[in-house]
Amino acid sequence: DAKTTQPPSMDCAEGRAANLPCNHSTISGNEYVYWYRQIHSQGPQYIIHGLKNNETNEMASLIITEDRKSSTLILPHATLRDTAVYYCIVRVLNTGNQFYFGTGTSLTVIP
Amino acid sequence: DSGVTQTPKHLITATGQRVTLRCSPRSGDLSVYWYQQSLDQGLQFLIQYYNGEERAKGNILERFSAQQFPDLHSELNLSSLELGDSALYFCASSPWTGHYEQYFGPGTRLTVT
Repeated sequence: DAKTTQPPSMDCAEGRAANLPCNHSTISGNEYVYWYRQIHSQGPQYIIHGLKNNETNEMASLIITEDRKSSTLILPHATLRDTAVYYCIVRVLNTGNQFYFGTGTSLTVIP
Repeated sequence: DSGVTQTPKHLITATGQRVTLRCSPRSGDLSVYWYQQSLDQGLQFLIQYYNGEERAKGNILERFSAQQFPDLHSELNLSSLELGDSALYFCASSPWTGHYEQYFGPGTRLTVT
């Protein structure tokens, strides 16, 4: 699985959009980008995943660059409950077993 | 609530002891994963079972073992415990191997003294 690079920490004002970047320059053509988050020692929670098209669900949007070497997770209106560690993971869909969680980005939403 | 349950929630034991952590997956999920999260190592994959059979191994020590029973619940056995085994242990489940979403339980916090 390709390696990802994320900033260790970010702040965001409550109510503003939180944009979390991820670099995955060695991603291969059949690897998807996944985002999970972990709120203070709880189990990680799935947010979204995508291959090359932008994706949106009720939690977030995922923007993947055309060359697929980087992506951005967008939380459109951050709340205090979005304070968490966000993990960007790349993996081939429907193959492989485990997720390899890196160090992630610690997002703090500030009131 | 992910639907995955783990017991016990907290466990305190002494070095050299053996403990068993239990996980019940979401109803219908065949795949179970165990992860360890310590302060210095982050979230590390240990082992995966699918429908009762071991499917993948990660950074699992020889002192650790796991199994998945016919009713699909899983147990992680940790023996000859060391101080460094103190960590959060998460179980996750998914409908099948490679499914995009793994559903994580609340974890068991193990403290070895």
